[in-house]
Amino acid sequence: GAVVSQHPSWVICKSGTSVKIECRSLDFQATTMFWYRQFPKQSLMLMATSNEGSKATYEQGVEKDKFLINHASLTLSTLTVTSAHPEDSSFYICSATGTGLNEQYFGPGTRLTVT
Amino acid sequence: QKEVEQNSGPLSVPEGAIASLNCTYSDRGSQSFFWYRQYSGKSPELIMSIYSNGDKEDGRFTAQLNKASQYVSLLIRDSQPSDSATYLCALGDNDMRFGAGTRLTVKP
Repeated sequence: GAVVSQHPSWVICKSGTSVKIECRSLDFQATTMFWYRQFPKQSLMLMATSNEGSKATYEQGVEKDKFLINHASLTLSTLTVTSAHPEDSSFYICSATGTGLNEQYFGPGTRLTVT
Repeated sequence: QKEVEQNSGPLSVPEGAIASLNCTYSDRGSQSFFWYRQYSGKSPELIMSIYSNGDKEDGRFTAQLNKASQYVSLLIRDSQPSDSATYLCALGDNDMRFGAGTRLTVKP
């Protein structure tokens, strides 16, 4: 149980375009979802926390207008990287937790490359 | 002081040895503690959770928690090359905080 999927697993886009990443909880209701970014050989960096039906809470230094997060249902959250630039190239990972769960369960991640 | 401190390593042990990974934390109110394993290029996967003082064993893995001293550790017995990964310590409930991770290499 507690499976989280992400789509796409990798994406290449041109500078200036927008990219949407989906995060789904497959077998539980995800009351809270988290979005992380990880650069090569660095630790996880929490970008934002989203609760279903509420606006996301962004970590300091994360531009909310650039990284749009939507958590419209208990099984789906999306992260849209708007006007992507090469420095946005990174590994984006979502995680989720739900009622009765103490742990966060991670999706497999999405590798974004902006050319 | 960071909330969750881990030695970044790399920690290198020979195959078959015991690998010991340590983590200290600053929030005395923390109740939930976790160890995640992250292979290179992959997302973290949960290995162990521990909530009360003492040891918790699961196969070759043992988590140890000492709330008075504010540390949590992970022991890996009979280490295998496939255990080579970065191990992340995490604590908290809804607001989980991660350490930077310790890179473990198990040499054949």
